[in-house]
Amino acid sequence: QSALTQPASVSGSPGQSITISCTGTSSDLGVYNYVSWYQQHPGKAPKLMIYDVTNRPSGVSNRFSGSKSGNTASLTISGLQAEDEAYYYCNSYTTSSTLVFGTGTRVTVL
Amino acid sequence: EVQLVQSGAEVKKPGDSLKISCQGSGYSFTTYWISWVRQLPGKGLEWMGIIYPGDSDTRYSPSFQGQVTISADKSITTAYLQWNTLKASDTAMYYCARSTPYNVDYWGPGTLVTVSS
Repeated sequence: QSALTQPASVSGSPGQSITISCTGTSSDLGVYNYVSWYQQHPGKAPKLMIYDVTNRPSGVSNRFSGSKSGNTASLTISGLQAEDEAYYYCNSYTTSSTLVFGTGTRVTVL
Repeated sequence: EVQLVQSGAEVKKPGDSLKISCQGSGYSFTTYWISWVRQLPGKGLEWMGIIYPGDSDTRYSPSFQGQVTISADKSITTAYLQWNTLKASDTAMYYCARSTPYNVDYWGPGTLVTVSS
């Protein structure tokens, strides 16, 4: 069971929009709409930002949105802010009834 | 308020055994799953396995099957992650998190495990 593939880093200027991709296979992300995204600041526990591909938990800014097409899911952050600088991880349910995380993406606000 | 309280940092020697804990509160402990997630120093998140405290149904990532044991005691709303023989490569931060079978929502603060001779 291999990790989902994410770009190592993505950057953008304040106010811009960025998109982080997450590529899986027909054994995980390509089969189910159970994709979630997590934000992790250094030294902190991860925080759920998106679940079930597109849903935002209560309290998460609507600047965060998710989508999926085929074997690739995406997280878009619009109106980029300094506080968005963090690591982001995707996660998917798999056909083995397990979960798998992505490799992680470092977001830098220029 | 959902809370997951994890046991404190541990320093162990190779070959030692260890059991760390995660106590849930603020929700029905027996109707959600608990996942365990490893984060090696400077690395990404790795899902280790999951347990349903209601009936102790447990599933493991193939990478961790046979390497650790996940258990729970619903009477004290606590889940556990256990090693019989620690290795230096087990040095990591370990998070527990409330889960459904399909995702993880609330996370504990993590337990740092250091294995060194």
